[in-house]
Amino acid sequence: AQSVTQLDSQVPVFEEAPVELRCNYSSSVSVYLFWYVQYPNQGLQLLLKYLSGSTLVKGINGFEAEFNKSQTSFHLRKPSVHISDTAEYFCAVIGSQGNLIFGKGTKLSVKP
Amino acid sequence: DVKVTQSSRYLVKRTGEKVFLECVQDMDHENMFWYRQDPGLGLRLIYFSYDVKMKEKGDIPEGYSVSREKKERFSLILESASTNQTSMYLCASSGGGWISYEQYFGPGTRLTVT
Repeated sequence: AQSVTQLDSQVPVFEEAPVELRCNYSSSVSVYLFWYVQYPNQGLQLLLKYLSGSTLVKGINGFEAEFNKSQTSFHLRKPSVHISDTAEYFCAVIGSQGNLIFGKGTKLSVKP
Repeated sequence: DVKVTQSSRYLVKRTGEKVFLECVQDMDHENMFWYRQDPGLGLRLIYFSYDVKMKEKGDIPEGYSVSREKKERFSLILESASTNQTSMYLCASSGGGWISYEQYFGPGTRLTVT
């Protein structure tokens, strides 16, 4: 069965500091991985996705993630965060029925 | 741009009422999904549909049903609302066959059952 573990429920960080949001997955089918962002009072928006190819994936708003098969991880990184990055971030993997299986989310709080 | 719209942003209903949540997408997507989002639990799949008149149970279908009479519209039905169904409900759609390589989400409906 597929599952996703987001290791941190909350991550506080100061503006312009780097950040890493951790995600580990378990999958018995082909691995397709996603990061979504949810700004306050909004739906989810796709940040980036890994389907195949290069293990370093670049997304919108300066975010990137690295697929590590041996460690079954797909951590999200940004070298310098802004106040506007304050949001909840969800890691997801494709399930056996073609649906998405989400982690429980990480709330990123960027402080001035 | 893909647009997924949900009929209400906020909804307040009484226990025992029948509740309809509507979702419409404008990109001719085959796949549509209903999720429930609760703090600390992430998103959990309630039902999904690969085509008109088709439906599949997700992880938490109890207490819910769905209807897909037209390709662009996917309705979630709470037959008899209960307080434990107070939650944020998110609809999503995707194309590309059975693999939902990218799902597009609506803004959500925050349902309160009193």
